[in-house]
Amino acid sequence: QQQVKQSPQSLIVQKGGISIINCAYENTAFDYFPWYQQFPGKGPALLIAIRPDVSEKKEGRFTISFNKSAKQFSLHIMDSQPGDSATYFCAASIGTNAGKSTFGDGTTLTVKP
Amino acid sequence: DVKVTQSSRYLVKRTGEKVFLECVQDMDHENMFWYRQDPGLGLRLIYFSYDVKMKEKGDIPEGYSVSREKKERFSLILESASTNQTSMYLCASNTYRRTNYGYTFGSGTRLTVV
Repeated sequence: QQQVKQSPQSLIVQKGGISIINCAYENTAFDYFPWYQQFPGKGPALLIAIRPDVSEKKEGRFTISFNKSAKQFSLHIMDSQPGDSATYFCAASIGTNAGKSTFGDGTTLTVKP
Repeated sequence: DVKVTQSSRYLVKRTGEKVFLECVQDMDHENMFWYRQDPGLGLRLIYFSYDVKMKEKGDIPEGYSVSREKKERFSLILESASTNQTSMYLCASNTYRRTNYGYTFGSGTRLTVV
């Protein structure tokens, strides 16, 4: 069964707009929720992460919102730029198991100029 | 700059060949991982290792094996390559020593089996 479900599969946003990507998880043992950004031909890079004891984390234009009771978390990209065009993966990890991550299927974001 | 280095960016192998994918990290990380990435399927865990000579199966270990003889090096082995193993292979590492255990990924090896 898929433990981390990500939506939408693809997203097109105008420059300056807000991009929102959603993820839902099932296993309540997950205790670390990272987001990764991947450009074509590159490996994914850690973008921002959150733990379930906080409801929001912001780093620059990127914000994670976390809803523990609903078992959902989302990535918001404010003032989206063409350079943000990439594939974004959410993930969920269990620290006691080598921090092994389970990934969503990814969202391809295109920001139009 | 910390790095995870995968030895090959592109590989083309024939069906039935034994294939070795190598990964080296310079961050003294305890944990190393092999994922494969396929369009629409995200990243799926093949194997991971939490210490030298220690390994655990991931979600899709069939047809693969791994070796970790030194802390910095984690090898993925395709015992007899098949066309359905054509994919992008990603190596990653992380550590227990930090409060977050996000991954550092390599650039990937795109393997084509013909």
